[in-house]
Amino acid sequence: AQTVTQSQPEMSVQEAETVTLSCTYDTSENNYYLFWYKQPPSRQMILVIRQEAYKQQNATENRFSVNFQKAAKSFSLKISDSQLGDTAMYFCAFTTITGNQFYFGTGTSLTVIP
Amino acid sequence: DVKVTQSSRYLVKRTGEKVFLECVQDMDHENMFWYRQDPGLGLRLIYFSYDVKMKEKGDIPEGYSVSREKKERFSLILESASTNQTSMYLCASTGIYSPLHFGNGTRLTVT
Repeated sequence: AQTVTQSQPEMSVQEAETVTLSCTYDTSENNYYLFWYKQPPSRQMILVIRQEAYKQQNATENRFSVNFQKAAKSFSLKISDSQLGDTAMYFCAFTTITGNQFYFGTGTSLTVIP
Repeated sequence: DVKVTQSSRYLVKRTGEKVFLECVQDMDHENMFWYRQDPGLGLRLIYFSYDVKMKEKGDIPEGYSVSREKKERFSLILESASTNQTSMYLCASTGIYSPLHFGNGTRLTVT
């Protein structure tokens, strides 16, 4: 069975600082995809970043980057130069290659403090 | 851009009512999903469908059923709503090798 664990229910960061959100997962698959989703107070789930397991290079999307450690089954999200609009719930998610099952962590609530 | 539309943003229903939550996607995606979101529990899969008229149970299907008569539409049905089904419901869709695209949720309150 696949599981996704986010061990930080809440975090806060000063505006313009850097913060890292942790995620670990468990799977016996060798090829899969990992995602970070953001859910602001508007409730719309927004894809932040995506990583293919077969790619060794860490994905980057503007101020968002990941540290993907396949052997350790770790997938952390780094937010640089935090902005007030980054305040949201962040979910780590995993899917197999077939893409018909997605597994989510319990989320990390991030608050950016002015 | 993919658009996933949920028919209601807020719903208030009484215990015992039959409730329909509708979801429509416009990108010809094969897979559609219904999740329930509760604080501290993350997203839990209720049902998913990988084709018209096909459905698979997720982790918490009890008390729910689904219908997928057309590829673009996936309905979640609460046969007899109960107070423990008060929650946020999220619909999502995906194609091959693509991420999930979500609707903006229906907050259901059962009184």
